[in-house]
Amino acid sequence: ILNVEQSPQSLHVQEGDSTNFTCSFPSSNFYALHWYRWETAKSPEALFVMTLNGDEKKKGRISATLNTKEGYSYLYIKGSQPEDSATYLCASNAGGTSYGKLTFGQGTILTVHP
Amino acid sequence: DAGITQSPRYKITETGRQVTLMCHQTWSHSYMFWYRQDLGHGLRLIYYSAAADITDKGEVPDGYVVSRSKTENFPLTLESATRSQTSVYFCASRWEGIWATEAFFGQGTRLTVV
Repeated sequence: ILNVEQSPQSLHVQEGDSTNFTCSFPSSNFYALHWYRWETAKSPEALFVMTLNGDEKKKGRISATLNTKEGYSYLYIKGSQPEDSATYLCASNAGGTSYGKLTFGQGTILTVHP
Repeated sequence: DAGITQSPRYKITETGRQVTLMCHQTWSHSYMFWYRQDLGHGLRLIYYSAAADITDKGEVPDGYVVSRSKTENFPLTLESATRSQTSVYFCASRWEGIWATEAFFGQGTRLTVV
């Protein structure tokens, strides 16, 4: 993996469904993996910053896991609500010679239908 | 006001003109970033800066110039605007210490090149 890639590109679910998205990132020179929530007409806001292999983070109904060896992270939303509708972005925080560089994936657009 | 602010919020310019987008943060964050929002690409990194007088290219730097003479300011200049540079531009900043931290985003600048 050379770039940060997210799947699926978009997702439509019903209220109450649980869902998950994938973020793939370069495992070499890894420093941290970020997840952001981006509502329409607003600015992205951070959900999680994860650094350790096997790390799991949780905020309410949203949780994330990290596998730095294989270069992927999952974001889970349990019992989706219409207010969860947003674009979810992940970003790779590089180490090494590109230390500090924050590169985003293309995002997953989640629509939760009432 | 505390935080990170961008100006102007909206700008219409003509092809070939030079235009500068301003970004100001009050936290003394070391890292600052410029992204453009493109359909299907999420946020693409234009330039980033690790500290005053230290800048580096991102994924799409061509046609843009940055400077960072003071920690709090990170202006982005389009030297000769083209229609392909019509986009929403986001500035972000983050503190860098012994652990990875989240980025905070400005409100965005909607630039239209006619």
